Amino acid sequence: LAKTTQPISMDSYEGQEVNITCSHNNIATNDYITWYQQFPSQGPRFIIQGYKTKVTNEVASLFIPADRKSSTLSLPRVSLSDTAVYYCLVDGRGNTPLVFGKGTRLSVIA
Amino acid sequence: DVKVTQSSRYLVKRTGEKVFLECVQDMDHENMFWYRQDPGLGLRLIYFSYDVKMKEKGDIPEGYSVSREKKERFSLILESASTNQTSMYLCASLGQVPYNYGYTFGSGTRLTVV
Repeated sequence: LAKTTQPISMDSYEGQEVNITCSHNNIATNDYITWYQQFPSQGPRFIIQGYKTKVTNEVASLFIPADRKSSTLSLPRVSLSDTAVYYCLVDGRGNTPLVFGKGTRLSVIA
Repeated sequence: DVKVTQSSRYLVKRTGEKVFLECVQDMDHENMFWYRQDPGLGLRLIYFSYDVKMKEKGDIPEGYSVSREKKERFSLILESASTNQTSMYLCASLGQVPYNYGYTFGSGTRLTVV
C-alpha cells in the first residue's frame, strides 16, 4: 500500500491561505488522492479527491503535479472552525480499505 | 446525505464482558468498516465487509469479531473486553457507484474498559 507523508502540525492565522503538502512517492497508476478532515470527537469527513492537475470544490482545492508523487491541499482564507486534523490518503476507490496515517493537525489562531 | 449511526456515543464496560458496538447506515452501501482511533496512532482498521455475511480482517483484528447479517448493519464484537481496548471506535460505509464522496463515518463510540 502506498504510504503518505505529511507534516505533523501547522499553525495559521485567520484569513490566511493554508497549503498542506503530502508526498506519496509510490502511488499506483489507478490510485487517487483523497483528503479527509476530522474535528475533535467526530469521525473523519471526506473533503476532496483528485487524480491529476487541479480539483476545486466549495471547501478546498487540490493540486497534483504531473508525476503525482505529491499533492497539496489548499484551504482559502481559513477561519477558527477550520481547526482540525487533515488526512492525505492514497485511495484505490474501494479496491482496498483506506489506510489513515496520523494526519496534519491544523491550528487556526485569531 | 448518507447517515452512519453508531448506537452509543459513550460506553463503559468491565474487563471480561462481551461488548457489542452497533453501526447502521441508511444508503444501501455495500462496504462497511470498523476503525479504532488512539492518540498518536491515527485510525487503524479492525475489520471490514464488502457484502452481507462477508468479513475481512484488517490490520488489528485480534480480540474482535464482526457480524453482518443485514446490509445496513455492521456490528463489532469484543469477545472479552480488556483495558487495552479502551479507545474511540469509528464505523464507516462506502458505496461503489458512484464513488464521489468517499467514506462516510459515524460520530464514533468512545469505549472505556475498566
